[in-house]
Amino acid sequence: SQQGEEDPQALSIQEGENATMNCSYKTSINNLQWYRQNSGRGLVHLILIRSNEREKHSGRLRVTLDTSKKSSSLLITASRAADTASYFCATDTMNTGFQKLVFGTGTRLLVSP
Amino acid sequence: DSGVTQTPKHLITATGQRVTLRCSPRSGDLSVYWYQQSLDQGLQFLIQYYNGEERAKGNILERFSAQQFPDLHSELNLSSLELGDSALYFCASSPRGGDPTDTQYFGPGTRLTVL
Repeated sequence: SQQGEEDPQALSIQEGENATMNCSYKTSINNLQWYRQNSGRGLVHLILIRSNEREKHSGRLRVTLDTSKKSSSLLITASRAADTASYFCATDTMNTGFQKLVFGTGTRLLVSP
Repeated sequence: DSGVTQTPKHLITATGQRVTLRCSPRSGDLSVYWYQQSLDQGLQFLIQYYNGEERAKGNILERFSAQQFPDLHSELNLSSLELGDSALYFCASSPRGGDPTDTQYFGPGTRLTVL
């Protein structure tokens, strides 16, 4: 079963606009990561936010984490056609001493020129 | 390029058959993870190996097994294949596997089609 539910399932915007994706999860986490997947390809790690952090930036990416609401958001600013991909949140609910990522359902982002 | 390689890229086989998927982790990474991605189940964690030993198990069927060899490459064996096993199978590696801040680096995947 999946830990995270992402919203929206699909998002279509124009180049230059901002894209916001949300992720909700169910159990306590150590950290939350965002990954990107181009169609049928492997996942690429974008950013990791720890459970004691509230906001993190990386280039055009901004991630927030609200552990009280068990939710996170990924903001991509000034989007480009090359940002077209699926975006997944992944939570680490490590209890065993080893990392075990549980992925959300993903948001499909389409950025039109 | 993540540095993780997977072979084969595509695999088409029949129900009841057995296949082996291979993964070579990034140089120096000790942990290997296997994931299955299908339309109905999404991306599911199957199993993790660390330095040759099984460390964590996810939603892996009994018909599936994996191992990590002394050179750290890993193989995922799928047997008695069913139509529902058709999916993309990803391998990922990380330096350690016990550090919660470890990044997992994903391979390009093997697309399995069971006819």
